[in-house]
Amino acid sequence: QVQLQESGPGLVKPSETLSLTCTVSGYSISSGYYWGWIRQPPGKGLEWIGNIYQSVSTYYNPSLKSRVTISVDTSKNQFSLRLSSVTAADTAAYYCASYDPTGYYVDYWGQGTLVTVSS
Amino acid sequence: DIQLTQSPSFLSASVGDRVTITCRASQGISSYVAWYQQKPGKAPKLLIYAASTLQSGVPSRFSGSGSGTEFTLTIGSLQPEDFATYYCQQLKSYPLTFGGGTKVEIK
Repeated sequence: QVQLQESGPGLVKPSETLSLTCTVSGYSISSGYYWGWIRQPPGKGLEWIGNIYQSVSTYYNPSLKSRVTISVDTSKNQFSLRLSSVTAADTAAYYCASYDPTGYYVDYWGQGTLVTVSS
Repeated sequence: DIQLTQSPSFLSASVGDRVTITCRASQGISSYVAWYQQKPGKAPKLLIYAASTLQSGVPSRFSGSGSGTEFTLTIGSLQPEDFATYYCQQLKSYPLTFGGGTKVEIK
């Protein structure tokens, strides 16, 4: 059973960089597959942020592409999200996710972590 | 980008009702659609993938159908634990996108 757990600051100042880590247990991240991040502003719908495949190929939401980096640390069995130059519009619950081997659905989700952008 | 339009955005129903939620894609996406259920304060939960395949452990009252541009999620007999928000997601091409959600509330 794969388990995902997000960690990182719950409060980030405007213009700074949001950094979150997802720790994976029950599966070796170096074995491949798709890993990704999805967010949800308070009271709103889900927004796909990006995916990483086989620790190498990355895919980002065009609306965030210039500010987003997703990377994998196989030694720690973790993957990470960095979102630069944040504004209040980036306030959201951030979920890390793993996809099935074909990449055609999210089968495991982290519990989510609320990140508030405020001075 | 492929846009997904869910309807209705809000639905009021009673226990035992049959409920249908529609997800329309702005272009053909074959059967690359997944449906998720989300309860307040919780992560979404996978219900259906590949448009019509029931995820293991999900009650059989949930079913999905469709291909191309129109998809439906049906709850055969609404149960108290089914009151939640439902989202479709397309995984045919990047950027991946979600529908706007359908909130199912108790009448």
